[in-house]
Amino acid sequence: NAGVTQTPKFRILKIGQSMTLQCAQDMNHNYMYWYRQDPGMGLKLIYYSVGAGITDKGEVPNGYNVSRSTTEDFPLRLELAAPSQTSVYFCASSYSTNTEAFFGQGTRLTVV
Amino acid sequence: TQLLEQSPQFLSIQEGENLTVYCNSSSVFSSLQWYRQEPGEGPVLLVTVVTGGEVKKLKRLTFQFGDARKDSSLHITAAQPGDTGLYLCAGSYNQGGKLIFGQGTELSVKP
Repeated sequence: NAGVTQTPKFRILKIGQSMTLQCAQDMNHNYMYWYRQDPGMGLKLIYYSVGAGITDKGEVPNGYNVSRSTTEDFPLRLELAAPSQTSVYFCASSYSTNTEAFFGQGTRLTVV
Repeated sequence: TQLLEQSPQFLSIQEGENLTVYCNSSSVFSSLQWYRQEPGEGPVLLVTVVTGGEVKKLKRLTFQFGDARKDSSLHITAAQPGDTGLYLCAGSYNQGGKLIFGQGTELSVKP
């Protein structure tokens, strides 16, 4: 059972570089989420999607972009990496907001 | 701004003690979830509460949803070292799709 798969697991970026964090789920969930987690803290919602073709901003969307062309995939794009974006990024999916959210293993990103 | 306040932020106790973690908001939840996260892993669901006043038990863990659906608590009886981890509450305020997390409670249970 794959569940939610995130790639890469680790990445070091230089300031100003761009990258895409990949997220795929095989549970046919409509709802997908991107969160960032700073050390010892909770999760902050970056963007979310309620279905293919529909995305919306979360609590901390600045500096990020997303797309949802298929039900399975929800990539997160960082256009101009900044040190403030150093964090652990988690992708999650769920059947609805009232049901269990399944999380990927996370991507640890460092911007230097 | 929707905000989920979780307290305490840190808790260090001895094995066998009881503890309670709180999750509060000024807004009404449509549902409230509790997750547990271990280092290097994603959060894993413990329970979902939907109905005001609802109480759910999971072995030594008791979860309560406030009557007004604005707050929730997690009570652990006779804590064990295996309970150590980050406990997170998460709420959805409407059917619009947002799932917001609290700041988390870092629990350490010493033998």
